[in-house]
Amino acid sequence: GAGVSQSPSNKVTEKGKDVELRCDPISGHTALYWYRQRLGQGLEFLIYFQGNSAPDKSGLPSDRFSAERTGESVSTLTIQRTQQEDSAVYLCASSSRSVREMGTGELFFGEGSRLTVL
Amino acid sequence: GDSVTQMEGPVTLSEEAFLTINCTYTATGYPSLFWYVQYPGEGLQLLLKATKADDKGSNKGFEATYRKETTSFHLEKGSVQVSDSAVYFCALSGHQGANNLFFGTGTRLTVIP
Repeated sequence: GAGVSQSPSNKVTEKGKDVELRCDPISGHTALYWYRQRLGQGLEFLIYFQGNSAPDKSGLPSDRFSAERTGESVSTLTIQRTQQEDSAVYLCASSSRSVREMGTGELFFGEGSRLTVL
Repeated sequence: GDSVTQMEGPVTLSEEAFLTINCTYTATGYPSLFWYVQYPGEGLQLLLKATKADDKGSNKGFEATYRKETTSFHLEKGSVQVSDSAVYFCALSGHQGANNLFFGTGTRLTVIP
């Protein structure tokens, strides 16, 4: 597609439920990132995918969080047994190369998925 | 660790006013620095960047200079327009080998006619 697409745009769930967020990157972009932004805070890195390499999961806050990506296509971020502190906007970004490789840092972001855990 | 501290908002200015949004950073090595902007209803997009000390990034009338001595990358514009109303994020690329960008908290700018 023309840009990074995320769904759902808004999700309200009850504490303890599982949620799945989807990201469809720009076609041909090998790198894909998930970030989280809690109210009043900066973007928090969660996970990074680059092609078929093992993902960098160093930012995942707990084992309730997981993400998958097959090749250079869609990615899903799954949060199990949601807690109120998981409430945030989850942002997905893609780029044609990794930050490390290109050094220019141009990431293309989706509009985000706003998650509210009651 | 690497981090970015950004001026808290919100900032409200009249059209044609001068804008400064402060950004300072902490980093090992020599990071690249960026400003991203998020317009209402859209995703973040790169506004400008600087990859080494004393570089000036510029775009759409906005400028920012990479100041190593003050570890700063302040965003400026001489005359803001209503269409500049958005949230602005300062960011840096991490140390060599890092896969992600470190972002500030964002500063919401509202420009009134």
